[in-house]
Amino acid sequence: GQNIDQPTEMTATEGAIVQINCTYQTSGFNGLFWYQQHAGEAPTFLSYNVLDGLEEKGRFSSFLSRSKGYSYLLLKELQMKDSASYLCAVGDSNYQLIWGAGTKLIIKP
Amino acid sequence: IAGITQAPTSQILAAGRRMTLRCTQDMRHNAMYWYRQDLGLGLRLIHYSNTAGTTGKGEVPDGYSVSRANTDDFPLTLASAVPSQTSVYFCASSDGGHTTEAFFGQGTRLTVV
Repeated sequence: GQNIDQPTEMTATEGAIVQINCTYQTSGFNGLFWYQQHAGEAPTFLSYNVLDGLEEKGRFSSFLSRSKGYSYLLLKELQMKDSASYLCAVGDSNYQLIWGAGTKLIIKP
Repeated sequence: IAGITQAPTSQILAAGRRMTLRCTQDMRHNAMYWYRQDLGLGLRLIHYSNTAGTTGKGEVPDGYSVSRANTDDFPLTLASAVPSQTSVYFCASSDGGHTTEAFFGQGTRLTVV
């Protein structure tokens, strides 16, 4: 079966760095997405990786290793507003997205 | 309207009743999707439409139907609601296919009692 694994919850301190991991097993691979979802709100797009390596976008970076079925989202200089759930999603061989359950990130002062 | 809009925002529905969740986008995106989000589970695709006039089944289509008469609208119908359909429903659209950035509506919180 197809599976996306992420930690359920993580806690970090304001101003620090946190890495949220995502491992996947899917039938085929057509890109990996990270979305941010604040409580009670809609998911919003953060990043897309289709080739191996690191993609940097401001305070957020996303890394992909297709051979290991692994990605991480790196958040630097954490702010209280970064408290949210972070969703990992992978495009499968049918070009449909398989979603992880999300990682709830709690930022403490 | 700016982006993608869903209605209603929330609804309590008696089991056995018929319900249509509305979704409208003004971005002229070809592809539209309906997902459900349940606690502890990832978003699950119910139905999708790659372009006006076409629809397809996702991972959990049973008990739901959709139509895509034009580019902007993509309603989701529950023919006879059951308690297991209690969930948060998100409509989304994208300019390309499933593996392009999706824009989500604010969600509809549905409770079937």
